[in-house]
Amino acid sequence: GAGVSQSPSNKVTEKGKDVELRCDPISGHTALYWYRQSLGQGLEFLIYFQGNSAPDKSGLPSDRFSAERTGGSVSTLTIQRTQQEDSAVYLCASSSSSSGTGDTQYFGPGTRLTVL
Amino acid sequence: EDKVVQSPLSLVVHEGDTVTLNCSYEVTNFRSLLWYKQEKKAPTFLFMLTSSGIEKKSGRLSSILDKKELFSILNITATQTGDSAVYLCAVFNQAGTALIFGKGTTLSVSS
Repeated sequence: GAGVSQSPSNKVTEKGKDVELRCDPISGHTALYWYRQSLGQGLEFLIYFQGNSAPDKSGLPSDRFSAERTGGSVSTLTIQRTQQEDSAVYLCASSSSSSGTGDTQYFGPGTRLTVL
Repeated sequence: EDKVVQSPLSLVVHEGDTVTLNCSYEVTNFRSLLWYKQEKKAPTFLFMLTSSGIEKKSGRLSSILDKKELFSILNITATQTGDSAVYLCAVFNQAGTALIFGKGTTLSVSS
């Protein structure tokens, strides 16, 4: 596709429910990233996928958060038993590879999650 | 601990003014520094800087990196209302696998 796409654009859920957020990276990009942006905060790294390598999950805030990437393309971020503090905009980014200098990451429009 | 600090946090200017946004960083194994513009949700890429002293320019925007003093500036000349946005600065973490972002500078340009 022309850019990174994410769905849904907005999600309102009740505390305790599970949610799934989807990301479609730019075609041909092997690296995929998830970030979270809470109100008044900078972007916070969550997880990174590169090709078929094991993902870097070092940014996931708790074991309620998980992500997978099927077929090296689409990724799903799952939040189980959502809490109000999970309310944020979840942004996905992709890049062509992970080189020595770092490759430019292109961001999707994000999913705004509101936990009531 | 790797970190990025941006200043000022917010800025209000009139159309036609020139602004300078600042970004200082501390990171192990520096790779590159990136600037993004965020108007609604998706940050849009502006510049990637890897070498000191080489100015990157795009229209009215320009940026430069100082790897000795560990900072970068983003300049916008002849500002327009369409420049109103949050400007984000980021550096790669040590492993080069993720970006570490500052909290951003919110720029408001009034007509």
